[in-house]
Amino acid sequence: AQSVAQPEDQVNVAEGNPLTVKCTYSVSGNPYLFWYVQYPNRGLQFLLKYITGDNLVKGSYGFEAEFNKSQTSFHLKKPSALVSDSALYFCAVRDEGGATNKLIFGTGTLLAVQP
Amino acid sequence: DGGITQSPKYLFRKEGQNVTLSCEQNLNHDAMYWYRQDPGQGLRLIYYSQIVNDFQKGDIAEGYSVSREKKESFPLTVTSAQKNPTEFYLCAFSIASGDEQYFGPGTRLTVT
Repeated sequence: AQSVAQPEDQVNVAEGNPLTVKCTYSVSGNPYLFWYVQYPNRGLQFLLKYITGDNLVKGSYGFEAEFNKSQTSFHLKKPSALVSDSALYFCAVRDEGGATNKLIFGTGTLLAVQP
Repeated sequence: DGGITQSPKYLFRKEGQNVTLSCEQNLNHDAMYWYRQDPGQGLRLIYYSQIVNDFQKGDIAEGYSVSREKKESFPLTVTSAQKNPTEFYLCAFSIASGDEQYFGPGTRLTVT
């Protein structure tokens, strides 16, 4: 069965430093991959997606993600972190079963950016 | 609001009481979803609906019911005891197959 894993519960980074939030996936076919961000007591906001094409995907708020098929990874990156980037980040993969848009979410990674 | 609203933002429920959470979207999209977010477990799918008058169970449908009488509305009723004192429910819609989902602001449900 398809799944995503976010191996880090929390990532700490200093403001201005590059950040990486890790995600690995397991699917039998071609993956549809997504990143979302959640601020406290809010819904999830879509950041970016990979369906096909370039392995480097650019998204909202300066975030990008690199799709690596050989490593089955889809890590979220940003060259220079801001304190306002502190939030909970979720990776998700589309469920391959049936013609639906069901998503399977990782457990989330809390990003803390220190000033 | 990104085209999708949830109400109320906070809801209090007594043991054994059924409550209904509202989810409305004004963008004429077919597919809608309900998730429960539990700390450390991410989001888990409760129910989803691809078209009016049709819906499917997700991974944790027990203790919940839904209806889809109108395209813009997908209410969720909590019918049995919650696992946790406070739970956070998220509603979403998607535009087309393969595309991302867009989420409402959520409802926090507390057992009193």
